[in-house]
Amino acid sequence: SQTIHQWPATLVQPVGSPLSLECTVEGTSNPNLYWYRQAAGRGLQLLFYSVGIGQISSEVPQNLSASRPQDRQFILSSKKLLLSDSGFYLCAWSGRRRPSYEQYFGPGTRLTVT
Amino acid sequence: QKEVEQNSGPLSVPEGAIASLNCTYSDRGSQSFFWYRQYSGKSPELIMSIYSNGDKEDGRFTAQLNKASQYVSLLIRDSQPSDSATYLCAVRVQAGTALIFGKGTTLSVSS
Repeated sequence: SQTIHQWPATLVQPVGSPLSLECTVEGTSNPNLYWYRQAAGRGLQLLFYSVGIGQISSEVPQNLSASRPQDRQFILSSKKLLLSDSGFYLCAWSGRRRPSYEQYFGPGTRLTVT
Repeated sequence: QKEVEQNSGPLSVPEGAIASLNCTYSDRGSQSFFWYRQYSGKSPELIMSIYSNGDKEDGRFTAQLNKASQYVSLLIRDSQPSDSATYLCAVRVQAGTALIFGKGTTLSVSS
């Protein structure tokens, strides 16, 4: 069965500090990978998605970036965090079976920028 | 702008009742539709997917899709206090595999 991991689970960072969140998927190959952010009282916002190694699509221009160095690894980064970057960061994966492309979420990382 | 709309609630139902959650979407070319359940502080969990007009049943859950009306619903029969959560509606639009989520409806089931 497939498993998706995210770490760290929680993070408190000062404004202006760098960020690196990691997501890995087990039990599947060549998944589509996604980064979402859920801010307090707001819906899920798609940040990035990737259909393969080195292939990243950005949905929202901001101070975040994503990379996919390996097939089942997805990394979210920032050089300088803003207060507005606080939120619940969720990684998700999907297969490539039409018509569904069902997405499954990892446990998430709760980020507080102080 | 592609949108998915849900009533934020809270929707309150007594234990054993039927809970009805609704969702509308703006992109007529949308192809796949999903319901996720999210407990407070946790990540969303996929509970139903539906692709064709009509009803799809899975245990106590029934998803209903009406593409002509651009409307998706989720019925929860014999609601239990453990069903208390936020329910997210998501839509896969025609252009790619990314999903668009509604903001969710909070369901509260009282015992």
